[in-house]
Amino acid sequence: DAGVIQSPRHEVTEMGQEVTLRCKPISGHNSLFWYRQTMMRGLELLIYFNNNVPIDDSGMPEDRFSAKMPNASFSTLKIQPSEPRDSAVYFCASSIPGTGLFGGPGYTFGSGTRLTVV
Amino acid sequence: LAKTTQPISMDSYEGQEVNITCSHNNIATNDYITWYQQFPSQGPRFIIQGYKTKVTNEVASLFIPADRKSSTLSLPRVSLSDTAVYYCLVGDKNQGGKLIFGQGTELSVKP
Repeated sequence: DAGVIQSPRHEVTEMGQEVTLRCKPISGHNSLFWYRQTMMRGLELLIYFNNNVPIDDSGMPEDRFSAKMPNASFSTLKIQPSEPRDSAVYFCASSIPGTGLFGGPGYTFGSGTRLTVV
Repeated sequence: LAKTTQPISMDSYEGQEVNITCSHNNIATNDYITWYQQFPSQGPRFIIQGYKTKVTNEVASLFIPADRKSSTLSLPRVSLSDTAVYYCLVGDKNQGGKLIFGQGTELSVKP
């Protein structure tokens, strides 16, 4: 089991550029979550999908952020245009169906993508 | 969603038992209590989950009093590698995966 795989691990980009973060959930997990972590705001849930369908995107900060899940094994989080205040660590998590959606041993986080916008 | 309060930081020494208490005064009947651990440059990792009384696994114990308004994560005989941030979360399995992380407790284990 390779766990939740995120790429890239680090991304440095200039303000105004488009940034795409990628996530491969654990095979068989049908829920996928995108989080953002900063020193000021801690860990925030941005959006989550069930069976590839976005369920709740109320945490997405603004229209510059968008997320897609074209199939069960891949998701992207896109920021266009990027701004310095978007600098953060972005985590993807996935969970096992039927084990309950409130965390638990089947709710697994990736190692994150550290984004720096200069 | 029930709000949680836990100490911002704690210090300990290797070999000691560490107890981190979390307050959740407005916990709801269907809410579970879940603890996560996060090392630098890594995503949070599940430690333990419980509803009432005591839960124990190979990593930690979770003590929950009868009124469930607080819970205590107990780490036996900590080592340097237990230095991390520990998060207490409270919520309902039906809330759709919304794990709401507070500020967590930064545990520092010294030699």
